[in-house]
Amino acid sequence: NAGVTQTPKFQVLKTGQSMTLQCAQDMNHNSMYWYRQDPGMGLRLIYYSASEGTTDKGEVPNGYNVSRLNKREFSLRLESAAPSQTSVYFCASSYGPNTEAFFGQGTRLTVV
Amino acid sequence: DAKTTQPPSMDCAEGRAANLPCNHSTISGNEYVYWYRQIHSQGPQYIIHGLKNNETNEMASLIITEDRKSSTLILPHATLRDTAVYYCIVRFYTGGFKTIFGAGTRLFVKA
Repeated sequence: NAGVTQTPKFQVLKTGQSMTLQCAQDMNHNSMYWYRQDPGMGLRLIYYSASEGTTDKGEVPNGYNVSRLNKREFSLRLESAAPSQTSVYFCASSYGPNTEAFFGQGTRLTVV
Repeated sequence: DAKTTQPPSMDCAEGRAANLPCNHSTISGNEYVYWYRQIHSQGPQYIIHGLKNNETNEMASLIITEDRKSSTLILPHATLRDTAVYYCIVRFYTGGFKTIFGAGTRLFVKA
């Protein structure tokens, strides 16, 4: 049972490039989330999807877009990467809003 | 979402109980208290959650005060592998949903 799988694990982008971070879960969870974590800080919510077909902004949505492709997959897109988006990105999923969330292993993104 | 306050760091001797406090004085009646931990730079790992009753599972115990304004996570016999950052969060759902992580407590378990 893979749980939450994120790809890629590492990525280096040049300023202005675009890319999509992929996330898939195999636990039949309804809700999925994207967080970013900067050095020495806690996680900050970028976007979330409470259920298939819905997405909403979190604390720090600027510069990002998301797609809930189906129940399993929730992708995060950077249209024009900036150095300020250098961070570790975590995807998570939960069955519902008041159940525990399971996290992926993270994508380490560097924008130069 | 209610904000939480945790000490930035704590030490604990291996084999002893680790008691990690969390203040959430603005918590409302329908907000749950959750605890997660993050080892090195791995993804956060769920530990336990509760609403108003004390909870226990195979990893830890959660003690919530009667007024629900604070809670304590207890690791009964800390091991070196329990060295991690521990996050206390509160969350609820009313059509808009957010989970707010603070800076957490860095627990050092020493031999």
